[in-house]
Amino acid sequence: AQRVTQPEKLLSVFKGAPVELKCNYSYSGSPELFWYVQYSRQRLQLLLRHISRESIKGFTADLNKGETSFHLKKPFAQEEDSAMYYCALNAGGTSYGKLTFGQGTILTVHP
Amino acid sequence: DVKVTQSSRYLVKRTGEKVFLECVQDMDHENMFWYRQDPGLGLRLIYFSYDVKMKEKGDIPEGYSVSREKKERFSLILESASTNQTSMYLCASSRYVSYNEQFFGPGTRLTVL
Repeated sequence: AQRVTQPEKLLSVFKGAPVELKCNYSYSGSPELFWYVQYSRQRLQLLLRHISRESIKGFTADLNKGETSFHLKKPFAQEEDSAMYYCALNAGGTSYGKLTFGQGTILTVHP
Repeated sequence: DVKVTQSSRYLVKRTGEKVFLECVQDMDHENMFWYRQDPGLGLRLIYFSYDVKMKEKGDIPEGYSVSREKKERFSLILESASTNQTSMYLCASSRYVSYNEQFFGPGTRLTVL
């Protein structure tokens, strides 16, 4: 069975500082990894997925299969990045698009 | 613009009541999902459906059932609500292809007294 772990419940940084939200997974196959974000009073939405290798709102995430990690990084945090972030895994194949989510990390960016 | 709507934003029910949570999507998506969101536990999948009248259990199906009579509508049913089902419930939909993005509804905050 797959599992996603986000070790930090809360993460606080100051504006302009680098930020890294950690995500580790366990899955024996080739997973698809996602980061979803939920801003205050907004619905959960996709931030980025590893297969498209995009940079969205300055965030990047690299899949490290050796370390089974998919950490989310941004070199200069902004106050508007404050939100709940979830890492999620899709096992692919006949999983019908099911996602396994991590516990979430609340990021607070202080002015 | 993909729209997933949920019938109620807030709901308060009493222990033992039968509760219906409704979700509607307007993008002709094949897959639909129900999650509950709890602090420290993240999102946990309750049930999902990949076609009309098809349903599969997720990770925490106990105490819940679902119905999908039409492609655009996916209902979550609490047969006899209990206090431990107090939570935020999120509905999502996606296209059939496995790696596609899930689109979420605004959520229903259910309180069971």
